[in-house]
Amino acid sequence: EVVLTQSPGTLSLSPGERATLSCKASQSLSNSFLAWYQQKPDQPPRLLIFGASNRATGIPDRFSASGSETDFSLTISRLEPEDFAVYFCQHYTNSGVFTFGQGTKLGI
Amino acid sequence: QVQLVQSGAEMRKPGSSVKVSCKASGGAFNSHAITWVRQAPGQGLEWMGTIIPIISSANYAQTFQGRVTITADKSTTTVHMELSSLTSEDTATYYCATGKMGAFDFWGQGIPVTVSS
Repeated sequence: EVVLTQSPGTLSLSPGERATLSCKASQSLSNSFLAWYQQKPDQPPRLLIFGASNRATGIPDRFSASGSETDFSLTISRLEPEDFAVYFCQHYTNSGVFTFGQGTKLGI
Repeated sequence: QVQLVQSGAEMRKPGSSVKVSCKASGGAFNSHAITWVRQAPGQGLEWMGTIIPIISSANYAQTFQGRVTITADKSTTTVHMELSSLTSEDTATYYCATGKMGAFDFWGQGIPVTVSS
């Protein structure tokens, strides 16, 4: 079973700065079904990225993502006040199993 | 536009079961798999299981095998999730979600479930 480990656990930055979040898989991901979500308090997660690097509908271009095999990252180029939230990565296997990382809290 | 509307908050005693629902509209029921994900207070997201409603085929996370049942009602385009043998560790918000390419574009609003004696 794939384990996704996100780092750092907490990231403290200021508006206007660049954020880079990491998601490492315990084994090479054989497909590109790696997604990233943003979650704010008392809200469901919001899809940001699917297929490792594709922005979901309506997601601003300051969000970008890349990676392959075991190392994936999400970058927010210039933080806006509304970007401070918790971010999760998630993988889907061809056998129908979903796995989430434990999350990175992006705070001021 | 796909929409998932979930049933309301629930309170249960330890050892009991809870059955919650997720009504799908906008074509989700016939063309997407629907997944249940839970989130304990202050914690991360945990996959519970997924159903393909049009064929009522479900698969479950190993963690919940034998304790969770996900069903689909075609007449009401509603997916149900029942979790049995509840303990306080099942206190969480339960979400249904759907999407494509292994990602969840659409989420329900979440159902808080509290397990307490």
